[in-house]
Amino acid sequence: NAGVTQTPKFQVLKTGQSMTLQCAQDMNHNSMYWYRQDPGMGLRLIYYSASEGTTDKGEVPNGYNVSRLNKREFSLRLESAAPSQTSVYFCASEERGSGANVLTFGAGSRLTVL
Amino acid sequence: ILNVEQSPQSLHVQEGDSTNFTCSFPSSNFYALHWYRWETAKSPEALFVMTLNGDEKKKGRISATLNTKEGYSYLYIKGSQPEDSATYLCASNTDKLIFGTGTRLQVFP
Repeated sequence: NAGVTQTPKFQVLKTGQSMTLQCAQDMNHNSMYWYRQDPGMGLRLIYYSASEGTTDKGEVPNGYNVSRLNKREFSLRLESAAPSQTSVYFCASEERGSGANVLTFGAGSRLTVL
Repeated sequence: ILNVEQSPQSLHVQEGDSTNFTCSFPSSNFYALHWYRWETAKSPEALFVMTLNGDEKKKGRISATLNTKEGYSYLYIKGSQPEDSATYLCASNTDKLIFGTGTRLQVFP
């Protein structure tokens, strides 16, 4: 099925460990986003990529790095995980990056940092 | 960073009631306003994207309006059903899409 695929779906880390969340879309969309979801906070933008080769910070970028590897893939890396990064992470993509097209979301990745 | 605000935070209604929520956003440099429906343990699903002042969109019993000059959008649900229970998110953007915290709707039979 066409859409946005995130891996892994679940991950438990110890404080200080690193990991990368992978996201891939097969809809030929230009823009890709990483959000985190915390209770009572809605979706907060971590990083986004308006097009291949570009990335920009969102609302809560500290503690994260991203790579737009190619048009399909946008990964999110935690270099040294902290308990405050326990959250559900959503990747999304958007056609043409115009902002006037809907986002398609992945299924989410639940990360727990102990 | 944009400040997108939604009210109320939560809403409980009886089946058959009509209801509405508000999304407010900065009107300067407005580009688009999105509405999403988000059921627990699922991913957000798009309802509408609106770009023009005065836009009205409708999907079944759900409709939305947009006022870009004063910076608000309303989402209406006519004759609420239990399956409408979800969190409704709005998002606005200039160069990036920023979400509000959502309105959590519960419809009781």
